[in-house]
Amino acid sequence: AQTVTQSQPEMSVQEAETVTLSCTYDTSESDYYLFWYKQPPSRQMILVIRQEAYKQQNATENRFSVNFQKAAKSFSLKISDSQLGDAAMYFCAYRSAGTGNQFYFGTGTSLTVIP
Amino acid sequence: ETGVTQSPTHLIKTRGQQVTLRCSSQSGHNTVSWYQQALGQGPQFIFQYYREEENGRGNFPPRFSGLQFPNYSSELNVNALELDDSALYLCASSLRLAGGPTDTQYFGPGTRLTVL
Repeated sequence: AQTVTQSQPEMSVQEAETVTLSCTYDTSESDYYLFWYKQPPSRQMILVIRQEAYKQQNATENRFSVNFQKAAKSFSLKISDSQLGDAAMYFCAYRSAGTGNQFYFGTGTSLTVIP
Repeated sequence: ETGVTQSPTHLIKTRGQQVTLRCSSQSGHNTVSWYQQALGQGPQFIFQYYREEENGRGNFPPRFSGLQFPNYSSELNVNALELDDSALYLCASSLRLAGGPTDTQYFGPGTRLTVL
Protein backbone atom coordinates (compact mmCIF):
# COMPACT_ATOMS: atom_id res chain seq x y z
CA ALA A 1 0.00 0.00 0.00
CA GLN A 2 1.08 3.53 -0.64
CA THR A 3 2.21 5.61 2.31
CA VAL A 4 2.22 9.36 2.74
CA THR A 5 4.49 11.00 5.30
CA GLN A 6 4.27 14.49 6.71
CA SER A 7 7.24 14.94 9.00
CA GLN A 8 6.22 18.33 10.43
CA PRO A 9 3.39 17.94 12.96
CA GLU A 10 3.35 21.70 13.57
CA MET A 11 4.56 24.77 11.72
CA SER A 12 4.20 28.49 12.32
CA VAL A 13 4.61 31.51 10.07
CA GLN A 14 4.39 35.26 10.47
CA GLU A 15 1.56 36.92 8.64
CA ALA A 16 2.65 37.99 5.11
CA GLU A 17 5.63 35.64 5.16
CA THR A 18 6.16 32.41 3.22
CA VAL A 19 6.02 28.89 4.63
CA THR A 20 6.69 25.48 3.09
CA LEU A 21 5.01 22.28 4.27
CA SER A 22 6.71 18.98 3.45
CA CYS A 23 5.27 15.73 2.18
CA THR A 24 6.90 12.55 0.95
CA TYR A 25 5.23 9.43 -0.37
CA ASP A 26 6.11 5.91 -1.25
CA THR A 27 4.77 4.23 -4.38
CA SER A 28 5.82 1.88 -7.13
CA GLU A 29 3.38 3.42 -9.59
CA SER A 30 4.43 5.83 -12.31
CA ASP A 31 1.15 7.65 -12.73
CA TYR A 32 -0.80 9.12 -9.84
CA TYR A 33 -2.29 12.27 -8.40
CA LEU A 34 -1.21 14.27 -5.38
CA PHE A 35 -3.31 16.67 -3.38
CA TRP A 36 -3.08 19.15 -0.56
CA TYR A 37 -6.20 19.56 1.54
CA LYS A 38 -6.80 22.16 4.24
CA GLN A 39 -8.93 21.43 7.30
CA PRO A 40 -9.75 24.57 9.31
CA PRO A 41 -11.04 24.33 12.87
CA SER A 42 -14.58 24.21 11.45
CA ARG A 43 -13.32 20.82 10.16
CA GLN A 44 -14.58 20.79 6.54
CA MET A 45 -11.75 19.54 4.36
CA ILE A 46 -11.09 21.88 1.46
CA LEU A 47 -9.02 21.12 -1.64
CA VAL A 48 -6.05 23.48 -1.89
CA ILE A 49 -4.17 22.20 -4.90
CA ARG A 50 -3.81 19.12 -7.10
CA GLN A 51 -0.87 17.79 -9.13
CA GLU A 52 -0.84 15.11 -11.82
CA ALA A 53 2.36 13.09 -11.69
CA TYR A 54 2.74 13.02 -15.48
CA LYS A 55 2.93 16.81 -15.57
CA GLN A 56 6.37 18.23 -14.94
CA GLN A 57 5.07 21.73 -14.34
CA ASN A 58 4.35 22.48 -10.71
CA ALA A 59 0.74 23.35 -9.94
CA THR A 60 -0.11 26.84 -8.72
CA GLU A 61 -3.30 28.28 -7.25
CA ASN A 62 -2.98 31.94 -6.35
CA ARG A 63 -0.76 32.09 -3.21
CA PHE A 64 -0.37 28.32 -3.09
CA SER A 65 2.19 26.43 -5.13
CA VAL A 66 3.85 23.05 -5.00
CA ASN A 67 7.35 21.76 -5.52
CA PHE A 68 6.85 18.31 -7.04
CA GLN A 69 10.00 16.20 -7.21
CA LYS A 70 8.93 12.90 -8.74
CA ALA A 71 12.26 11.12 -8.47
CA ALA A 72 12.57 12.07 -4.83
CA LYS A 73 8.86 11.32 -4.23
CA SER A 74 8.48 14.70 -2.62
CA PHE A 75 5.51 17.06 -2.82
CA SER A 76 5.84 20.23 -0.74
CA LEU A 77 3.33 23.06 -0.45
CA LYS A 78 4.45 26.68 -0.42
CA ILE A 79 2.11 29.31 0.95
CA SER A 80 3.12 32.85 0.04
CA ASP A 81 1.94 36.04 1.74
CA SER A 82 0.44 34.00 4.59
CA GLN A 83 -2.89 35.19 5.93
CA LEU A 84 -4.63 34.55 9.25
CA GLY A 85 -7.22 32.50 7.38
CA ASP A 86 -4.52 30.07 6.29
CA ALA A 87 -4.31 28.71 9.83
CA ALA A 88 -5.49 25.11 9.64
CA MET A 89 -4.45 21.48 9.49
CA TYR A 90 -2.95 20.64 6.10
CA PHE A 91 -3.08 17.11 4.72
CA CYS A 92 -1.14 15.70 1.82
CA ALA A 93 -2.93 12.93 -0.10
CA TYR A 94 -2.11 10.41 -2.83
CA ARG A 95 -4.35 8.66 -5.31
CA SER A 96 -3.46 6.17 -8.00
CA ALA A 97 -4.26 7.18 -11.58
CA GLY A 98 -5.42 3.64 -12.26
CA THR A 99 -8.77 2.19 -11.34
CA GLY A 100 -7.88 2.17 -7.65
CA ASN A 101 -9.99 4.75 -5.96
CA GLN A 102 -8.52 4.94 -2.50
CA PHE A 103 -6.99 8.16 -1.28
CA TYR A 104 -4.08 7.84 1.12
CA PHE A 105 -3.59 10.71 3.56
CA GLY A 106 -0.66 11.83 5.66
CA THR A 107 -1.01 12.60 9.35
CA GLY A 108 -1.21 16.33 8.75
CA THR A 109 0.67 19.52 9.61
CA SER A 110 -0.92 22.08 11.88
CA LEU A 111 -0.14 25.58 10.62
CA THR A 112 -0.31 28.57 12.93
CA VAL A 113 -0.23 32.09 11.47
CA ILE A 114 1.18 34.70 13.83
CA PRO A 115 -0.21 38.24 13.44
CA GLU B 1 -17.99 25.34 1.11
CA THR B 2 -18.50 22.17 -0.91
CA GLY B 3 -21.97 20.92 -1.84
CA VAL B 4 -21.53 17.80 0.29
CA THR B 5 -23.70 17.60 3.38
CA GLN B 6 -23.67 15.16 6.27
CA SER B 7 -26.02 14.39 9.13
CA PRO B 8 -26.07 14.38 12.02
CA THR B 9 -23.34 16.79 13.07
CA HIS B 10 -22.71 15.09 16.39
CA LEU B 11 -23.78 11.76 17.80
CA ILE B 12 -23.28 10.02 21.12
CA LYS B 13 -23.78 6.27 21.39
CA THR B 14 -22.91 3.56 23.86
CA ARG B 15 -20.79 0.52 23.24
CA GLY B 16 -22.65 -2.25 21.42
CA GLN B 17 -25.17 0.03 19.77
CA GLN B 18 -25.62 0.59 16.06
CA VAL B 19 -25.36 3.90 14.21
CA THR B 20 -26.27 5.24 10.77
CA LEU B 21 -24.59 8.28 9.28
CA ARG B 22 -25.84 10.03 6.17
CA CYS B 23 -24.23 11.89 3.29
CA SER B 24 -25.60 13.84 0.34
CA SER B 25 -23.18 14.15 -2.52
CA GLN B 26 -22.41 17.25 -4.51
CA SER B 27 -24.60 17.83 -7.55
CA GLY B 28 -23.24 15.97 -10.58
CA HIS B 29 -21.17 13.54 -8.53
CA ASN B 30 -21.83 9.80 -8.67
CA THR B 31 -19.31 8.40 -6.20
CA VAL B 32 -19.17 8.60 -2.42
CA SER B 33 -16.25 7.64 -0.21
CA TRP B 34 -16.27 7.35 3.57
CA TYR B 35 -13.33 8.06 5.86
CA GLN B 36 -12.68 7.71 9.57
CA GLN B 37 -10.54 10.43 11.11
CA ALA B 38 -9.35 9.76 14.63
CA LEU B 39 -8.27 12.72 16.73
CA GLY B 40 -4.93 14.08 15.54
CA GLN B 41 -4.75 11.70 12.57
CA GLY B 42 -5.32 11.84 8.84
CA PRO B 43 -8.47 10.35 7.33
CA GLN B 44 -8.47 6.58 6.86
CA PHE B 45 -10.39 5.14 3.90
CA ILE B 46 -13.35 2.95 4.89
CA PHE B 47 -14.98 2.24 1.53
CA GLN B 48 -16.34 3.79 -1.62
CA TYR B 49 -19.68 3.45 -3.39
CA TYR B 50 -20.18 3.83 -7.12
CA ARG B 51 -23.45 3.06 -8.91
CA GLU B 52 -24.93 1.75 -5.68
CA GLU B 53 -22.23 -0.88 -5.20
CA GLU B 54 -19.21 -1.02 -2.93
CA ASN B 55 -16.17 -0.28 -5.04
CA GLY B 56 -13.09 -0.58 -2.87
CA ARG B 57 -12.65 -1.05 0.85
CA GLY B 58 -10.00 -0.18 3.38
CA ASN B 59 -8.92 -2.17 6.40
CA PHE B 60 -12.19 -2.02 8.31
CA PRO B 61 -14.21 -4.97 9.67
CA PRO B 62 -17.55 -6.06 8.17
CA ARG B 63 -19.50 -4.34 10.92
CA PHE B 64 -18.80 -1.20 8.89
CA SER B 65 -21.23 -1.29 5.99
CA GLY B 66 -22.84 1.14 3.63
CA LEU B 67 -25.41 1.91 1.02
CA GLN B 68 -25.67 4.23 -1.93
CA PHE B 69 -29.05 5.30 -3.25
CA PRO B 70 -30.16 6.10 -6.82
CA ASN B 71 -29.74 9.81 -6.11
CA TYR B 72 -26.11 9.03 -5.13
CA SER B 73 -26.58 9.87 -1.48
CA SER B 74 -25.08 7.36 0.92
CA GLU B 75 -25.26 5.88 4.39
CA LEU B 76 -22.56 4.47 6.62
CA ASN B 77 -23.72 1.90 9.15
CA VAL B 78 -21.63 0.71 12.06
CA ASN B 79 -22.82 -2.23 14.15
CA ALA B 80 -21.66 -3.34 17.60
CA LEU B 81 -19.98 -0.02 18.33
CA GLU B 82 -16.65 -0.09 20.12
CA LEU B 83 -14.93 2.68 22.06
CA ASP B 84 -12.29 2.97 19.31
CA ASP B 85 -14.99 3.85 16.81
CA SER B 86 -15.10 7.32 18.35
CA ALA B 87 -13.92 9.60 15.54
CA LEU B 88 -14.90 12.14 12.92
CA TYR B 89 -16.53 10.40 9.97
CA LEU B 90 -16.04 12.18 6.68
CA CYS B 91 -17.89 11.65 3.47
CA ALA B 92 -16.41 12.75 0.14
CA SER B 93 -18.10 12.86 -3.22
CA SER B 94 -16.54 12.80 -6.66
CA LEU B 95 -17.31 12.17 -10.27
CA ARG B 96 -16.19 8.92 -11.79
CA LEU B 97 -16.44 8.47 -15.53
CA ALA B 98 -17.28 4.99 -16.85
CA GLY B 99 -14.23 2.76 -16.73
CA GLY B 100 -12.10 5.42 -15.16
CA PRO B 101 -10.87 6.34 -11.68
CA THR B 102 -12.53 8.89 -9.47
CA ASP B 103 -11.60 12.51 -9.85
CA THR B 104 -10.90 14.96 -7.06
CA GLN B 105 -12.88 14.31 -3.90
CA TYR B 106 -14.87 17.02 -2.15
CA PHE B 107 -15.52 16.55 1.52
CA GLY B 108 -18.49 17.14 3.75
CA PRO B 109 -18.21 18.71 7.22
CA GLY B 110 -18.21 15.34 8.96
CA THR B 111 -20.12 13.64 11.76
CA ARG B 112 -18.46 13.52 15.16
CA LEU B 113 -19.28 10.14 16.75
CA THR B 114 -18.58 9.56 20.42
CA VAL B 115 -18.91 6.04 21.80
CA LEU B 116 -19.22 5.78 25.58
